Amino acid sequence: GNSVTQMEGPVTLSEEAFLTINCTYTATGYPSLFWYVQYPGEGLQLLLKATKADDKGSNKGFEATYRKETTSFHLEKGSVQVSDSAVYFCALMIYNTDKLIFGTGTRLQVFP
Amino acid sequence: EAGVAQSPRYKIIEKRQSVAFWCNPISGHATLYWYQQILGQGPKLLIQFQNNGVVDDSQLPKDRFSAERLKGVDSTLKIQPAKLEDSAVYLCASSLVGLALSYNEQFFGPGTRLTVL
Repeated sequence: GNSVTQMEGPVTLSEEAFLTINCTYTATGYPSLFWYVQYPGEGLQLLLKATKADDKGSNKGFEATYRKETTSFHLEKGSVQVSDSAVYFCALMIYNTDKLIFGTGTRLQVFP
Repeated sequence: EAGVAQSPRYKIIEKRQSVAFWCNPISGHATLYWYQQILGQGPKLLIQFQNNGVVDDSQLPKDRFSAERLKGVDSTLKIQPAKLEDSAVYLCASSLVGLALSYNEQFFGPGTRLTVL
């Protein structure tokens, strides 16, 4: 079946630290991969996406590369800010549909 | 551009009561989705509409949940009767076009937090 596994949180970092949130997936066909972010009190927002193997999605200093050989889509940022504190969801879109499958989310807490 | 609107933002009911949630998608968006997000889990799709027709309701518990989008714009999701395990955030999302014609971003509303006592 189709599923997404991401690391449990919370991830607690100091400002300007390097961030990695791991995400792996299981899917039939060729899914598209996404990272969504949910800031406190707000709805889910698309952070970045990649639609095929070796694509790199990037936005707001965050990056993730679609690795088909390891079925992974890890989220990275070189220097986090307090304002990055949120819950991050990895998701896949089943091939030839627009159905999203989400991971359980990882809470990031950044302290000054 | 106005985003996806949902109401109410919070609702507390007792088990076996009924509840309804309302969603107004972004203007011009043909596809509308309802998701259920249980605490500690990712959102799970309940139902997808394309205009006023149902595309996918395979994960909707039809014995107690119902949804409609009569005029292809606003949508309501109803639970009757509610159970304790229905406590969750109910998210509405919309996209310009669905059915994998091309990738179209899903825009999410703020959600309705339901507590069933």
